[in-house]
Order: sequence, then C-alpha cells, then structure tokens
Amino acid sequence: DADVTQTPRNRITKTGKRIMLECSQTKGHDRMYWYRQDPGLGLRLIYYSFDVKDINKGEISDGYSVSRQAQAKFSLSLESAIPNQTALYFCATSDYTGGRSTGELFFGEGSRLTVL
Amino acid sequence: DQQVKQNSPSLSVQEGRISILNCDYTNSMFDYFLWYKKYPAEGPTFLISISSIKDKNEDGRFTVFLNKSAKHLSLHIVPSQPGDSAVYFCAATTYSGNTPLVFGKGTRLSVIA
Repeated sequence: DADVTQTPRNRITKTGKRIMLECSQTKGHDRMYWYRQDPGLGLRLIYYSFDVKDINKGEISDGYSVSRQAQAKFSLSLESAIPNQTALYFCATSDYTGGRSTGELFFGEGSRLTVL
Repeated sequence: DQQVKQNSPSLSVQEGRISILNCDYTNSMFDYFLWYKKYPAEGPTFLISISSIKDKNEDGRFTVFLNKSAKHLSLHIVPSQPGDSAVYFCAATTYSGNTPLVFGKGTRLSVIA
C-alpha cells in the first residue's frame, strides 16, 4: 500500500461544482502539502501545513481551500471549479525531526482533475 | 518571478552517454537543493540532494554539482540508461526546512537505446 494515498485518482466535473481531493498518509509525518502540476509549469505549491493547527497559503492558493483534519489527513477543496483548474494535483508529506527537515518530500500518485 | 529555473524543457541522450540537466536559482536564501524524478502516472520521487556547504554530491550514477557564486546546479547521469527517461525537477529550499520546496518547470529526459 502507498504511504501517501490520494482520492480520487481521476475526476471529471463541471464548472461551478464543488470538488474535494483527499490525502491520507501513513508515514507519521507532521508536514503535508498540496502541489499542482501543469504542462510546462512544473509543480506549484497551493497550500501547506506544518502541523494540525497550522495552515499556510502557497504560491497559487486563490480558488482553493484546505482542511487538516488530523495528522494523517489533508484535503484540498475547490469551492467552485473552473476550467483553468484542470490539472494534476499532488499531495506530499515531509518529516521534521531534530529541529530541521531534510526537505525531502514524499508524494502521492496524483489526482487528475478535469473541469469542463 | 521564477525562483528556480530549468531552461531546457527537454533533452535527448544516447544510452551510455552522459546526461547533464541544468538548474538556476535566484533566491540567495536557498541553501539546500534537491532533484526529483517523475515517471508518467506516478508522483515525483526524490533522487539526490546537496547542501550549500558542498559543491558536489554523488550517488551511484547520479552526481549533483553546485556553483553557489553562479547560483547554478547541474545533475549528471553517467552512464545514461533507457530507464532514466523521465521528467526531472530541480527544487530549492532552506536547510532549516521551514521553507516549502520551490520547483523548477522540469526537464524531460529521453534516453535513446
């Protein structure tokens, strides 16, 4: 089983619909992230959370919200989806011990979202 | 403003030869750099990293070089193998780990048998 699990893996929806992408992890990491991948644009950070009570906006947070329900769960919501949110979404985790993080991220397999 | 730049969208190399992927950064606060590899339909996976106290880090066929004065790093793969064909992302952060990774746009490497 994957250490970082994303659901759904694929979703097609219509403009204006509310969508939630869920992420759960079994790695025991405190830090979780949502990135978006678009062709030619690389990976861009949407939101991140360093612990359950911590939520931070990333580079492209407009149109998105998140919820950190538990250490292991971090969900991403699109309140009213629009076509330019069509992308591949990745959840990731990282460890933080000894006063620092290795910086290494562990990614899920991705959720492909298409907004028509 | 892109803080991490990979200016070559794609690279094609023959099997057995050296692959060199380049990355530039603009933020002087970055002092820890990582390379990730991504196959289609999979999430990116960590490949190799380097901190700014070093100018080279080697792991098997993979070597990362860092030139701090030029704000430039490169990933060398020797010898290249067909299984190395993937998208490679350069990423940067601070050694404390309190800055989320900033990624470049990626370089698609094709290793031709």
